[in-house]
Amino acid sequence: AAGVIQSPRHLIKEKRETATLKCYPISRHDTVYWYQQGPGQDPQFLISFYEKMQSDKGSIPDRFSAQQFSDYHSELNMSSLELGDSALYFCASRQRTGLNTEAFFGQGTRLTVV
Amino acid sequence: KQEVTQIPAALSVPEGENLVLNCSFTDSAIYNLQWFRQDPGKGLTSLLLIQSSQREQTSGRLNASLDKSSGRSTLYIAASQPGDSATYLCAVQNSGYSTLTFGKGTMLLVSP
Repeated sequence: AAGVIQSPRHLIKEKRETATLKCYPISRHDTVYWYQQGPGQDPQFLISFYEKMQSDKGSIPDRFSAQQFSDYHSELNMSSLELGDSALYFCASRQRTGLNTEAFFGQGTRLTVV
Repeated sequence: KQEVTQIPAALSVPEGENLVLNCSFTDSAIYNLQWFRQDPGKGLTSLLLIQSSQREQTSGRLNASLDKSSGRSTLYIAASQPGDSATYLCAVQNSGYSTLTFGKGTMLLVSP
């Protein structure tokens, strides 16, 4: 079965540019999470969606926004990029209820801001 | 606010050794706990999920235990191999609706 798919895998942007990261969750998973992982850091929660509605918000800067679409894929939009935004961005999905509530992560998008 | 701590931060062992990684959490009212493996610059691979009602889970050479009352989980790796070298992350979820809170991980190096 296909896992969580993220695109692109790598992205290089200049300061003050915008970036859009995409996430395609596992089929039938109703919850999507976005995490940011800086070098040598643990993943930090940004935002989550349940059934296409924002369900929780973490340390997401105001310059970032996200949404989940009718086909359940999600996009993280990042504007006015700063050098400190360089990180691995992960998307995860899970089924909130049921027998298997395990969270599965994508391979991540490595964003480099220069 | 849930806080997750992993000890040790780094561990180096010779091939073949059995080892234990520790994870502790401050709020014992968890929904589940999940162990992940992360290779450098790569994604997180789920290893084991323990529901709050369970005491342990096993997968191959891996065994994870959970003691909710003491706020602890351990990941036991039997007969370690160089291919086990990676960072191991523990994450807890306080409810079915909440996010995963991660520890900072244990970086494991298994030398041949």
